[in-house]
Amino acid sequence: ETGVTQTPRHLVMGMTNKKSLKCEQHLGHNAMYWYKQSAKKPLELMFVYSLEERVENNSVPSRFSPECPNSSHLFLHLHTLQPEDSALYLCASSQIAGGGAQETQYFGPGTRLLVL
Amino acid sequence: GDSVTQMEGPVTLSEEAFLTINCTYTATGYPSLFWYVQYPGEGLQLLLKATKADDKGSNKGFEATYRKETTSFHLEKGSVQVSDSAVYFCALKSQGSNYKLTFGKGTLLTVNP
Repeated sequence: ETGVTQTPRHLVMGMTNKKSLKCEQHLGHNAMYWYKQSAKKPLELMFVYSLEERVENNSVPSRFSPECPNSSHLFLHLHTLQPEDSALYLCASSQIAGGGAQETQYFGPGTRLLVL
Repeated sequence: GDSVTQMEGPVTLSEEAFLTINCTYTATGYPSLFWYVQYPGEGLQLLLKATKADDKGSNKGFEATYRKETTSFHLEKGSVQVSDSAVYFCALKSQGSNYKLTFGKGTLLTVNP
């Protein structure tokens, strides 16, 4: 219903694995986001893509690598993660227009990641 | 910098009780304000928003009024239902920012029959 889908919904991986999270938005938006939600912490903005260019990277470790091939798709490539990376990873999208403060972000259901 | 403070949870109410979840913020200028709700096992859904002072956002019986003088955006509902059990997040987006949302830590609401 939200117009933002994420796959997989659940993922268990070992520290040496490589996996990717996928996000797709069906809202015609021009910006996409990755957030990390850990227990008892505020949502952390990880990456922002606007018009398929990365405009924000909040000191995220290099073991997280985003990719935005077009305005509808966003990936988060994972490799050699740590147990403390276990969290809910949320994707969001919005329509950025002229620098106004009114654009609303719409979230996907998230991928629950467990790193063993 | 911008910040959002919302009341610590958890909040436990009986069905049909009145709900208030407090939210105050710090930001320069006139931010846009949002309430998001997260149901168990799901992502965040926009519940309501207000973009200028004295605006009232409303949805599904929930309301919040943008109070510039008290820098607040408290969430209220007159009669809660069991289905309202969720985590509620207050958030702001600064004037002039294209995309950065600042979230509060969330308030867990449990409504008992």
